[in-house]
Amino acid sequence: EIVLTQSPDFQSASPKEEVTITCRASQYIGTSLHWYQQKPHQSPKLLIKFASQSFSGVPSRFSGSGSGTDFTLTIKSLEAEDSATYFCHQSSNLQGTFGQGTKVEIK
Amino acid sequence: EVQLLESGGALVPPGGSLRLSCAASGFSFSNFGMNWVRQAPGKGLEWVSALSGSGTSIYYGDSVRGRFTISRDNSKNTLYLQMNSLTVEDTALYYCAKGPYGSGIFPLDDWGQGTPVTVSS
Repeated sequence: EIVLTQSPDFQSASPKEEVTITCRASQYIGTSLHWYQQKPHQSPKLLIKFASQSFSGVPSRFSGSGSGTDFTLTIKSLEAEDSATYFCHQSSNLQGTFGQGTKVEIK
Repeated sequence: EVQLLESGGALVPPGGSLRLSCAASGFSFSNFGMNWVRQAPGKGLEWVSALSGSGTSIYYGDSVRGRFTISRDNSKNTLYLQMNSLTVEDTALYYCAKGPYGSGIFPLDDWGQGTPVTVSS
């Protein structure tokens, strides 16, 4: 089983700050890594697919990078509406495991 | 507009069975892989199962393999999840999620609102 470990578990940041969330895979997964945003009481939404490809309609302040085992989601210039939990998700071995989530709070 | 509407969630005793449905609209259902993902109360996301558009490729997570069965009826634009031998660890909100066009099943680019399953005596 491929395990995804996100860090940090929780991050508090002020509006306009840059936020970085990392996701480390327990084994090589190439670029088969996706990022989702889940706001309270809502369904998850796809932000980034295959490590760095922005999904349609996602604000340009969200970007992804990485390959192999280490990946990053960056939110440039944080906005109040970005308060949410962010999950990474791997699809390398068709088992679809998720990271534990990173909760982002706006100060 | 893509719409995914789950139903069938309920309170069921341990050892019981349940069938979830996901009615899809707004896209050519038979051309897309579909998934079930669950989220226990206050917890993260757990991928449960996936099915290719044709229904010929099926995948299960380790925690449900042998107990759950995914299927689809492309004539009704509906995805199903038959859940047997339920345990308290299966208590969660179950989401239906759409995969990409073609033979793939990930990433998940549209999600329903979920249907709650509670396993309790």
